[in-house]
Amino acid sequence: EAQVTQNPRYLITVTGKKLTVTCSQNMNHEYMSWYRQDPGLGLRQIYYSMNVEVTDKGDVPEGYKVSRKEKRNFPLILESPSPNQTSLYFCASSSQGAQPQHFGDGTRLSIL
Amino acid sequence: GQNIDQPTEMTATEGAIVQINCTYQTSGFNGLFWYQQHAGEAPTFLSYNVLDGLEEKGRFSSFLSRSKGYSYLLLKELQMKDSASYLCAPLKSNYQLIWGAGTKLIIKP
Repeated sequence: EAQVTQNPRYLITVTGKKLTVTCSQNMNHEYMSWYRQDPGLGLRQIYYSMNVEVTDKGDVPEGYKVSRKEKRNFPLILESPSPNQTSLYFCASSSQGAQPQHFGDGTRLSIL
Repeated sequence: GQNIDQPTEMTATEGAIVQINCTYQTSGFNGLFWYQQHAGEAPTFLSYNVLDGLEEKGRFSSFLSRSKGYSYLLLKELQMKDSASYLCAPLKSNYQLIWGAGTKLIIKP
């Protein structure tokens, strides 16, 4: 089954404790992206990647890091999480930038 | 700059037709997507318009006017399951998607 898998689905943690949210897709897609979604603000892009070893900043990259060492994986790293990063996070992928994106089920992060 | 404007909320009756408008301003343009998002779930793809005109797909149609920076999503024969948020997302020329805040559609019996 074609899918985008995010882990964990839910996480409650404390300020400053490094965390990684993993994202994996099994569709051989070139394009992958991370979004956060906050009430009233809609989806905001954090980082995106057009292909392996190619990553670009989206609209809200501060406080986040990503890597794209292999095509299927695109982890999101919060080196020193802060409460303003409490949000619902989605990973998405598509075959190319101008193709529909497939979304993971989301990761709800709470930073205390 | 970039800006996307769509109504925050709309209400319609089961069986009726509703049109959700979206106006946008982006630096470079490579088409426009519409997605549906049910509460607590991930967005799912509905349509993609890159040329001016109407694209019809079953009960859903999407229209684009590039010169006016305007798109709409038309939903016919509304069903209760269509209650969701509808997200307008222009694609910039660098393939970055810019998302509107979404229109929450409430369907009443």
